[in-house]
Amino acid sequence: EAGVAQSPRYKIIEKRQSVAFWCNPISGHATLYWYQQILGQGPKLLIQFQNNGVVDDSQLPKDRFSAERLKGVDSTLKIQPAKLEDSAVYLCASSLLYPEHLKTDTQYFGPGTRLTVL
Amino acid sequence: AQSVTQLGSHVSVSEGALVLLRCNYSSSVPPYLFWYVQYPNQGLQLLLKYTTGATLVKGINGFEAEFKKSETSFHLTKPSAHMSDAAEYFCASPGQNFVFGPGTRLSVLP
Repeated sequence: EAGVAQSPRYKIIEKRQSVAFWCNPISGHATLYWYQQILGQGPKLLIQFQNNGVVDDSQLPKDRFSAERLKGVDSTLKIQPAKLEDSAVYLCASSLLYPEHLKTDTQYFGPGTRLTVL
Repeated sequence: AQSVTQLGSHVSVSEGALVLLRCNYSSSVPPYLFWYVQYPNQGLQLLLKYTTGATLVKGINGFEAEFKKSETSFHLTKPSAHMSDAAEYFCASPGQNFVFGPGTRLSVLP
């Protein structure tokens, strides 16, 4: 079974530029998550999708971050414009089950995209 | 609000020694608790999870954790450390949204 795929693996941009990350979850997984992991910290949930609908985006900085999951499969996360403090690893994860089971479901993580903002 | 804390940002043990990584949670309702491991330059991988039932949970790679409600703890242990166990370990719990602890970096010394 293929795992969660993410690209690019590394990205270096200057502040105020735009950047986009792509995620392809495990086939058949209904739920998709984007996390931000700043160096030395645990991952922080940015947004959670159920199929192509948003379940939770309460921690997404909506003035600069956006995400979509077209057709309930692949997802993209965009930052526009980027700030220095956005330097982090952006992790995508997916899980199989629906919201009522999310509290006990296993999340499968991709390798992440390391973003450096100069 | 649901939260998890991990005591010790860095733990060093000798190869063959006991591994103990600490996790405490705060919650007003029975929690579900997870341990994830992150190897260098990789994504996170589930080690084990507690949902309901037996409070001693066994996971992959010889790790286990015990849910202790009276102590609000879910500490991770392994009887004998191996060099390959060197990684970052995260305790996590779902609440309003999924929350990870700050992580503990485990170093294994030869």
